[in-house]
Amino acid sequence: EPEVTQTPSHQVTQMGQEVILRCVPISNHLYFYWYRQILGQKVEFLVSFYNNEISEKSEIFDDQFSVERPDGSNFTLKIRSTKLEDSAMYFCASREQGENSPLHFGNGTRLTVT
Amino acid sequence: AQSVAQPEDQVNVAEGNPLTVKCTYSVSGNPYLFWYVQYPNRGLQFLLKYITGDNLVKGSYGFEAEFNKSQTSFHLKKPSALVSDSALYFCAPRGTGGFKTIFGAGTRLFVKA
Repeated sequence: EPEVTQTPSHQVTQMGQEVILRCVPISNHLYFYWYRQILGQKVEFLVSFYNNEISEKSEIFDDQFSVERPDGSNFTLKIRSTKLEDSAMYFCASREQGENSPLHFGNGTRLTVT
Repeated sequence: AQSVAQPEDQVNVAEGNPLTVKCTYSVSGNPYLFWYVQYPNRGLQFLLKYITGDNLVKGSYGFEAEFNKSQTSFHLKKPSALVSDSALYFCAPRGTGGFKTIFGAGTRLFVKA
């Protein structure tokens, strides 16, 4: 079964540094998402991406965050200047066409900001 | 504003007993409703969804969910729990015409042998 893959599985960075989290969504999917989860608790929506542009974003997704689909397969989340509170598990998800299609999640990148 | 509530942080059941994980939501229109499960150090996995029609929806691993429009609830159920069902469960509505799926706070299910 096709999977969403995320790299790296764990990223440690110093406060103020830039990080890029990478995702390869399922190949025929058209909608792409980033979510984050702090300490195994609530899953928070960050951003959705469709047709090569952001379709929706949350209040968390401020100017420090950006997303990109640089080629036909990768989907990246960049945090320009990391803060301690950015430490979380970041999940990429994708889904196919259709309003009722479920999300398919990767196994996440654990970001630790020191 | 859209919201979803899972009133129980944790549900404990004995193996073989029925289980229920509760969810209520506040989303305009007729949202699509999903349940996801998360095992330790893994991403979320889709369990089942409600679109329209029969109020009892069947999904993976013997799980089912009951939709109640008047109570705006979508409770997850299983007739006979297994120890391997122990995990974190999320209720997740998506508004029609919208892009994002929102998630509840999650309910941790412990099934004791």
